[in-house]
Amino acid sequence: DAGVIQSPRHEVTEMGQEVTLRCKPISGHNSLFWYRQTMMRGLELLIYFNNNVPIDDSGMPEDRFSAKMPNASFSTLKIQPSEPRDSAVYFCASSGLAGGNTGELFFGEGSRLTVL
Amino acid sequence: GEDVEQSLFLSVREGDSSVINCTYTDSSSTYLYWYKQEPGAGLQLLTYIFSNMDMKQDQRLTVLLNKKDKHLSLRIADTQTGDSAIYFCAETPGNQFYFGTGTSLTVIP
Repeated sequence: DAGVIQSPRHEVTEMGQEVTLRCKPISGHNSLFWYRQTMMRGLELLIYFNNNVPIDDSGMPEDRFSAKMPNASFSTLKIQPSEPRDSAVYFCASSGLAGGNTGELFFGEGSRLTVL
Repeated sequence: GEDVEQSLFLSVREGDSSVINCTYTDSSSTYLYWYKQEPGAGLQLLTYIFSNMDMKQDQRLTVLLNKKDKHLSLRIADTQTGDSAIYFCAETPGNQFYFGTGTSLTVIP
């Protein structure tokens, strides 16, 4: 299995532009998580899905952020409009059991976003 | 989110033991995890401990769990330069993973 696949690996954009980050979870996994990592805040859980349904989005910073999971093999995290403070590494992770507390969480390599 | 706390930095000499500490808040976690992050990469599972255990040993790794104090530690014996990385502990109340701030381990040759 190829593992969790994220794209793009790096993105540099200007303030105000729309950013879309993509994730393909491991085949057969039914839980998907989006995290943001910064030096100041560490690793923050933004949202997680179970069986393609958003379960908890309380970590999403504000309305500029949205996440979708149209099917079991694809998820997107969109930022519109982007701001410099959104600069971070965004990780997608998937888990093979219902919920995240009984199974290993597998991480993608992350998407490094820089907003100028 | 939950407050999972770790010290930010640790330096040890090659061959010494490293001990990374973590305090967590939720006693309902079934498992507690240690993840490792190397530069430019995502987190990878290092080891985990079931909440009804006090200790788990896995080759050079020893995990100690003190449920009363909600304290978790990771000991790496005979630390090598390849162990230099950021180490995260995670608690898992409900269906979520909450990670600590991460401890950056530097191994001095």
